[in-house]
Amino acid sequence: SQTIHQWPATLVQPVGSPLSLECTVEGTSNPNLYWYRQAAGRGLQLLFYSVGIGQISSEVPQNLSASRPQDRQFILSSKKLLLSDSGFYLCAWIINTDAFFGQGTRLTVV
Amino acid sequence: GQQVMQIPQYQHVQEGEDFTTYCNSSTTLSNIQWYKQRPGGHPVFLIQLVKSGEVKKQKRLTFQFGEAKKNSSLHITATQTTDVGTYFCAGEGTTDSWGKFQFGAGTQVVVTP
Repeated sequence: SQTIHQWPATLVQPVGSPLSLECTVEGTSNPNLYWYRQAAGRGLQLLFYSVGIGQISSEVPQNLSASRPQDRQFILSSKKLLLSDSGFYLCAWIINTDAFFGQGTRLTVV
Repeated sequence: GQQVMQIPQYQHVQEGEDFTTYCNSSTTLSNIQWYKQRPGGHPVFLIQLVKSGEVKKQKRLTFQFGEAKKNSSLHITATQTTDVGTYFCAGEGTTDSWGKFQFGAGTQVVVTP
């Protein structure tokens, strides 16, 4: 069966520290993977998407980056977190009319 | 834990007809969001409801948040072929679940001309 895993669920990090959020999928190959972030009052905002290994498209300029080191792995990173990076981040796997969402990560930068 | 369920899973609609999709949470929500995903695309934010009993309209789409803030519905009138896609609801929990959204499984809508 198709599943998506995202971790950690909750994270508290100091300003200036690095970030690594990981998302993995099972039950499929060559999935299209997405990283979203909750924007206040505007719902989930698409940050990055990837259609294959090493292929990353960025939707908005920001302090974050994404990587796809393996077919079923999608990583959201930052070298130095800012206070404004706090929020809810969600990984998704989308194929045609089906979308599978991770549990999300609530990141608090202190 | 919080669970968000959406019904129906599939909806076949004749063009011009109305339909409604429902979203139910096992716990009280602080707010609920609705998204639309076109075939081959990714979910796009439609609206957010925050207040108990809130009703919002976007052209032919009517969104409603239940009085107990545990249910929501999306009603589309005079369905058009452009309404094809999957509609997702996502609920944000309260207290311990604050800041976390849980998505329903989606309602896939097929419109027959």
